[in-house]
Amino acid sequence: DAMVIQNPRYQVTQFGKPVTLSCSQTLNHNVMYWYQQKSSQAPKLLFHYYDKDFNNEADTPDNFQSRRPNTSFCFLDIRSPGLGDAAMYLCATSKISGRAPTDTQYFGPGTRLTVL
Amino acid sequence: AQTVTQSQPEMSVQEAETVTLSCTYDTSESDYYLFWYKQPPSRQMILVIRQEAYKQQNATENRFSVNFQKAAKSFSLKISDSQLGDAAMYFCAYHWTGANNLFFGTGTRLTVIP
Repeated sequence: DAMVIQNPRYQVTQFGKPVTLSCSQTLNHNVMYWYQQKSSQAPKLLFHYYDKDFNNEADTPDNFQSRRPNTSFCFLDIRSPGLGDAAMYLCATSKISGRAPTDTQYFGPGTRLTVL
Repeated sequence: AQTVTQSQPEMSVQEAETVTLSCTYDTSESDYYLFWYKQPPSRQMILVIRQEAYKQQNATENRFSVNFQKAAKSFSLKISDSQLGDAAMYFCAYHWTGANNLFFGTGTRLTVIP
Protein backbone atom coordinates (compact mmCIF):
# COMPACT_ATOMS: atom_id res chain seq x y z
CA ASP A 1 0.00 0.00 0.00
CA ALA A 2 1.17 3.50 -0.81
CA MET A 3 1.93 5.35 2.36
CA VAL A 4 3.83 7.94 4.35
CA ILE A 5 6.45 6.48 6.68
CA GLN A 6 8.21 8.23 9.53
CA ASN A 7 11.26 7.04 11.39
CA PRO A 8 11.84 6.73 14.20
CA ARG A 9 8.43 6.68 15.85
CA TYR A 10 9.98 7.78 19.14
CA GLN A 11 13.14 9.83 19.52
CA VAL A 12 14.85 10.89 22.71
CA THR A 13 17.59 13.49 22.57
CA GLN A 14 19.46 15.66 24.99
CA PHE A 15 19.12 19.38 25.30
CA GLY A 16 21.24 20.95 22.55
CA LYS A 17 22.10 17.70 20.79
CA PRO A 18 21.19 17.77 17.08
CA VAL A 19 18.56 15.35 15.92
CA THR A 20 17.22 14.32 12.52
CA LEU A 21 13.76 12.95 11.82
CA SER A 22 13.00 11.08 8.63
CA CYS A 23 9.98 10.88 6.35
CA SER A 24 9.54 8.79 3.23
CA GLN A 25 6.59 8.31 0.93
CA THR A 26 5.55 5.85 -1.74
CA LEU A 27 2.71 8.03 -3.03
CA ASN A 28 4.95 9.82 -5.54
CA HIS A 29 3.63 13.14 -4.29
CA ASN A 30 5.41 16.35 -5.20
CA VAL A 31 4.76 18.22 -1.98
CA MET A 32 6.00 17.23 1.45
CA TYR A 33 5.21 19.03 4.70
CA TRP A 34 6.52 19.06 8.24
CA TYR A 35 4.19 19.91 11.11
CA GLN A 36 4.86 20.28 14.80
CA GLN A 37 2.07 19.18 17.11
CA LYS A 38 2.23 19.79 20.84
CA SER A 39 0.00 17.98 23.26
CA SER A 40 -3.71 18.69 22.76
CA GLN A 41 -3.00 21.29 20.09
CA ALA A 42 -3.56 21.51 16.37
CA PRO A 43 -0.64 20.75 14.07
CA LYS A 44 1.45 23.77 13.18
CA LEU A 45 3.08 23.92 9.77
CA LEU A 46 6.84 24.41 9.94
CA PHE A 47 7.71 24.29 6.24
CA HIS A 48 7.08 22.40 3.06
CA TYR A 49 8.79 21.38 -0.16
CA TYR A 50 7.06 21.95 -3.46
CA ASP A 51 9.24 19.66 -5.58
CA LYS A 52 12.71 21.00 -4.72
CA ASP A 53 11.47 24.43 -3.70
CA PHE A 54 11.69 24.99 0.03
CA ASN A 55 8.98 27.13 1.66
CA ASN A 56 9.53 28.21 5.23
CA GLU A 57 6.74 29.51 7.44
CA ALA A 58 7.49 32.98 8.75
CA ASP A 59 7.41 31.96 12.40
CA THR A 60 9.43 28.75 12.11
CA PRO A 61 12.54 29.10 14.28
CA ASP A 62 15.95 29.00 12.59
CA ASN A 63 16.71 26.00 14.77
CA PHE A 64 14.58 23.93 12.39
CA GLN A 65 15.91 22.98 8.99
CA SER A 66 14.84 20.55 6.31
CA ARG A 67 16.33 18.60 3.44
CA ARG A 68 14.72 16.80 0.57
CA PRO A 69 17.35 14.80 -1.32
CA ASN A 70 14.80 13.23 -3.67
CA THR A 71 11.06 12.95 -4.27
CA SER A 72 10.60 10.16 -1.77
CA PHE A 73 12.50 11.42 1.25
CA CYS A 74 12.38 14.48 3.45
CA PHE A 75 14.30 15.16 6.65
CA LEU A 76 13.69 17.48 9.56
CA ASP A 77 16.85 18.64 11.33
CA ILE A 78 16.68 20.28 14.72
CA ARG A 79 20.07 21.82 15.29
CA SER A 80 19.93 22.53 19.00
CA PRO A 81 16.78 21.10 20.54
CA GLY A 82 15.34 22.89 23.51
CA LEU A 83 12.82 21.65 26.03
CA GLY A 84 10.14 23.55 24.14
CA ASP A 85 10.79 21.51 21.03
CA ALA A 86 9.43 18.34 22.61
CA ALA A 87 6.44 17.48 20.48
CA MET A 88 5.00 15.15 17.87
CA TYR A 89 6.38 15.86 14.42
CA LEU A 90 4.09 14.98 11.55
CA CYS A 91 5.07 14.56 7.93
CA ALA A 92 2.43 14.91 5.24
CA THR A 93 2.31 14.80 1.45
CA SER A 94 0.10 16.03 -1.34
CA LYS A 95 0.33 16.03 -5.11
CA ILE A 96 0.45 18.81 -7.63
CA SER A 97 -2.52 19.34 -9.87
CA GLY A 98 -2.21 22.19 -12.32
CA ARG A 99 -0.72 25.24 -10.69
CA ALA A 100 -1.15 24.29 -7.08
CA PRO A 101 -1.07 21.25 -4.85
CA THR A 102 -4.31 19.39 -4.58
CA ASP A 103 -6.10 19.81 -1.37
CA THR A 104 -5.80 16.51 0.41
CA GLN A 105 -2.79 15.91 2.61
CA TYR A 106 -1.82 12.42 3.69
CA PHE A 107 -0.12 12.12 7.03
CA GLY A 108 2.48 9.79 8.44
CA PRO A 109 2.18 8.32 11.95
CA GLY A 110 4.46 10.94 13.44
CA THR A 111 7.66 10.95 15.48
CA ARG A 112 7.36 11.79 19.14
CA LEU A 113 10.41 13.77 20.23
CA THR A 114 11.45 13.92 23.86
CA VAL A 115 14.13 16.38 24.94
CA LEU A 116 15.94 15.62 28.21
CA ALA B 1 -7.15 36.17 7.94
CA GLN B 2 -8.10 32.56 7.48
CA THR B 3 -9.10 30.91 10.72
CA VAL B 4 -10.87 27.74 11.73
CA THR B 5 -12.80 27.53 14.98
CA GLN B 6 -13.98 24.43 16.80
CA SER B 7 -15.96 25.58 19.80
CA GLN B 8 -16.36 22.16 21.42
CA PRO B 9 -13.11 21.00 23.04
CA GLU B 10 -14.75 17.76 24.15
CA MET B 11 -17.83 15.80 23.17
CA SER B 12 -19.21 12.44 24.18
CA VAL B 13 -21.71 10.13 22.56
CA GLN B 14 -23.34 6.86 23.48
CA GLU B 15 -22.40 3.96 21.27
CA ALA B 16 -24.82 3.61 18.31
CA GLU B 17 -26.06 7.18 18.76
CA THR B 18 -25.45 10.20 16.54
CA VAL B 19 -23.19 13.12 17.35
CA THR B 20 -22.46 16.39 15.55
CA LEU B 21 -19.15 18.23 15.80
CA SER B 22 -19.16 21.93 14.97
CA CYS B 23 -16.72 23.94 12.90
CA THR B 24 -16.78 27.49 11.62
CA TYR B 25 -14.21 29.22 9.48
CA ASP B 26 -13.40 32.66 8.27
CA THR B 27 -12.20 33.42 4.75
CA SER B 28 -12.67 35.91 1.98
CA GLU B 29 -11.80 33.35 -0.66
CA SER B 30 -14.34 31.52 -2.80
CA ASP B 31 -12.29 28.54 -3.99
CA TYR B 32 -11.36 26.32 -1.10
CA TYR B 33 -11.73 22.90 0.46
CA LEU B 34 -12.78 21.79 3.90
CA PHE B 35 -11.82 18.63 5.71
CA TRP B 36 -12.40 16.64 8.80
CA TYR B 37 -9.40 14.68 10.01
CA LYS B 38 -9.46 12.08 12.76
CA GLN B 39 -6.52 11.50 15.06
CA PRO B 40 -6.95 8.41 17.27
CA PRO B 41 -4.80 7.84 20.35
CA SER B 42 -2.16 6.19 18.12
CA ARG B 43 -1.78 9.72 16.70
CA GLN B 44 -1.91 9.03 12.92
CA MET B 45 -3.99 11.72 11.26
CA ILE B 46 -6.58 10.14 8.99
CA LEU B 47 -8.80 11.92 6.47
CA VAL B 48 -12.47 11.39 7.31
CA ILE B 49 -14.25 13.52 4.76
CA ARG B 50 -13.61 16.29 2.26
CA GLN B 51 -15.84 19.02 0.84
CA GLU B 52 -15.23 21.29 -2.13
CA ALA B 53 -16.59 24.77 -1.54
CA TYR B 54 -18.07 25.02 -5.03
CA LYS B 55 -20.24 21.96 -4.46
CA GLN B 56 -23.58 22.57 -2.82
CA GLN B 57 -24.16 18.92 -2.09
CA ASN B 58 -22.97 17.81 1.31
CA ALA B 59 -20.23 15.17 1.29
CA THR B 60 -20.96 11.76 2.75
CA GLU B 61 -18.69 8.85 3.60
CA ASN B 62 -20.56 5.90 5.06
CA ARG B 63 -21.53 6.91 8.61
CA PHE B 64 -19.90 10.33 8.29
CA SER B 65 -21.61 13.28 6.68
CA VAL B 66 -21.20 17.03 6.74
CA ASN B 67 -23.55 19.98 6.86
CA PHE B 68 -21.83 22.61 4.75
CA GLN B 69 -23.36 26.07 5.01
CA LYS B 70 -21.19 28.27 2.82
CA ALA B 71 -22.92 31.56 3.53
CA ALA B 72 -22.68 30.95 7.25
CA LYS B 73 -19.13 29.56 6.92
CA SER B 74 -20.11 26.51 8.87
CA PHE B 75 -18.96 22.94 8.34
CA SER B 76 -20.23 20.44 10.89
CA LEU B 77 -19.54 16.71 10.97
CA LYS B 78 -22.25 14.22 11.79
CA ILE B 79 -21.28 10.74 12.91
CA SER B 80 -24.14 8.27 12.81
CA ASP B 81 -24.28 4.94 14.61
CA SER B 82 -21.20 5.85 16.65
CA GLN B 83 -18.71 3.08 17.29
CA LEU B 84 -16.01 2.68 19.91
CA GLY B 85 -13.42 3.09 17.17
CA ASP B 86 -14.70 6.58 16.47
CA ALA B 87 -13.16 7.82 19.70
CA ALA B 88 -10.45 10.26 18.70
CA MET B 89 -9.50 13.89 18.33
CA TYR B 90 -11.29 15.41 15.34
CA PHE B 91 -9.77 18.35 13.51
CA CYS B 92 -11.58 20.57 11.09
CA ALA B 93 -9.27 22.00 8.43
CA TYR B 94 -9.42 24.52 5.60
CA HIS B 95 -7.36 24.72 2.45
CA TRP B 96 -7.38 27.60 0.01
CA THR B 97 -6.41 26.56 -3.52
CA GLY B 98 -4.09 29.53 -3.81
CA ALA B 99 -1.80 28.38 -1.01
CA ASN B 100 -0.22 25.24 0.33
CA ASN B 101 -1.28 25.53 3.94
CA LEU B 102 -3.87 23.53 5.76
CA PHE B 103 -5.40 25.65 8.51
CA PHE B 104 -6.51 23.49 11.42
CA GLY B 105 -8.98 24.14 14.17
CA THR B 106 -8.02 23.35 17.75
CA GLY B 107 -9.78 19.99 17.68
CA THR B 108 -12.67 18.25 19.42
CA ARG B 109 -11.97 15.21 21.54
CA LEU B 110 -14.76 12.67 21.03
CA THR B 111 -15.43 10.01 23.63
CA VAL B 112 -17.69 7.09 22.79
CA ILE B 113 -19.45 5.57 25.77
CA PRO B 114 -20.18 1.84 25.57
